[in-house]
Amino acid sequence: QSALTQPASVSGSPGQSITISCTGTNSDVGGYNYVSWYQQHPGKAPKLMIYDVINRPSGVSNRFSGSKSGNTASLTISGLQAEDEADYHCSSYTSSSTLVFGTGTKVTVL
Amino acid sequence: QVQLQESGPGLVKPSQTLSLTCTVSSDSFSSGSYYWSWIRQHPGKGLEWIGYIYYSGSTYYNPSLKSRVTISVDTSKNQFSLKLSSVTAADTAVYYCARQYKYYFDYWGQGTLVTVSS
Repeated sequence: QSALTQPASVSGSPGQSITISCTGTNSDVGGYNYVSWYQQHPGKAPKLMIYDVINRPSGVSNRFSGSKSGNTASLTISGLQAEDEADYHCSSYTSSSTLVFGTGTKVTVL
Repeated sequence: QVQLQESGPGLVKPSQTLSLTCTVSSDSFSSGSYYWSWIRQHPGKGLEWIGYIYYSGSTYYNPSLKSRVTISVDTSKNQFSLKLSSVTAADTAVYYCARQYKYYFDYWGQGTLVTVSS
């Protein structure tokens, strides 16, 4: 299975909004509403930020939101803060009953 | 609070079998509501899903690793394990165990670096 495609890097200034894309196929992102997003700070384990495309776990800031259109899912971070600087990974369920991650995106706060 | 902890050798020789265990501190281990997963991350790279197991023992594996991977569970010890055979330097990575609810990972271990080298 091929990794989902994410931009290598995205940057923004404090207070701005940024969007990270996650592109797959009809067999994964486009076929199911089972996309999740993870935040990972250097040397740390990933943290769940969004599940089932649009849902936020308890405790995650409402500055983080998810969406999907066709074979592309997106994570938007609004009101960008210095603490949001991290790597972000998407994941999707697939038609083979497996899971696949994205290539990962480094977010830089300018 | 759910806690997961990976354990196992940090250095494995090429062609040998990598073996890791994840110990879960949670009453939910055998509840049937969750799957238990292994995920790895090559240095400086993205995450790679390895596979998951249900408490009953049913498994699903990444097709690219399926021929070399075995995930097993020991419900009496609240543990699940990973074995990856015939390792090469390309298997050097940080290995994470995680709790999977439906199709997302809500709790993760801290990760353990496994280096394949002679």
